[in-house]
Amino acid sequence: AQRVTQPEKLLSVFKGAPVELKCNYSYSGSPELFWYVQYSRQRLQLLLRHISRESIKGFTADLNKGETSFHLKKPFAQEEDSAMYYCALSGWTGRRALTFGSGTRLQVQP
Amino acid sequence: GAGVSQSPRYKVAKRGQDVALRCDPISGHVSLFWYQQALGQGPEFLTYFQNEAQLDKSGLPSDRFFAERPEGSVSTLKIQRTQQEDSAVYLCASSGPGGGTETQYFGPGTRLLVL
Repeated sequence: AQRVTQPEKLLSVFKGAPVELKCNYSYSGSPELFWYVQYSRQRLQLLLRHISRESIKGFTADLNKGETSFHLKKPFAQEEDSAMYYCALSGWTGRRALTFGSGTRLQVQP
Repeated sequence: GAGVSQSPRYKVAKRGQDVALRCDPISGHVSLFWYQQALGQGPEFLTYFQNEAQLDKSGLPSDRFFAERPEGSVSTLKIQRTQQEDSAVYLCASSGPGGGTETQYFGPGTRLLVL
């Protein structure tokens, strides 16, 4: 069975501090990994996906197949980064549905 | 262009009532997904359509849940004889036009409260 684990419900940092949101997964095969973000009173939106290898809003995430992790990182947090972050995975074929983690709330304090 | 829209945004139902939740996907999107998000949890998959065909309904929690997309665009999720445990946010997402690995775009959700 596929599973996504986000061990932290809440992560609180000060502005300018580095951020790392943890995500571990289990999947029999080679998954596609995503980070979705939900800002206050907004809908869930894609932040980045591992195949794109992009840096969005200063965030990056590297897929580590050995550790089955896809941690989200940003070197210097901004107050506008405060939001709910969800890690998700899907398979490449067959079922295209996303399996989400339970989410981590990031609070960036001034 | 317009994103995914859902209606109603909020629904209060008495236990035992039937409810119908509507999703308007992005025009031209082939794939449509329904998810259920309980308080404090991530979204959980309910069902998936490719055009009008329901290809996966493995996430529907009981036979009280039914979804349709008869013309391959608008979709309706129906819950019969609602129970308190059905209280959640119901999210719709669409992707396409290829029906493959495209990004899923989410609607604002319908918050259902069953009393």
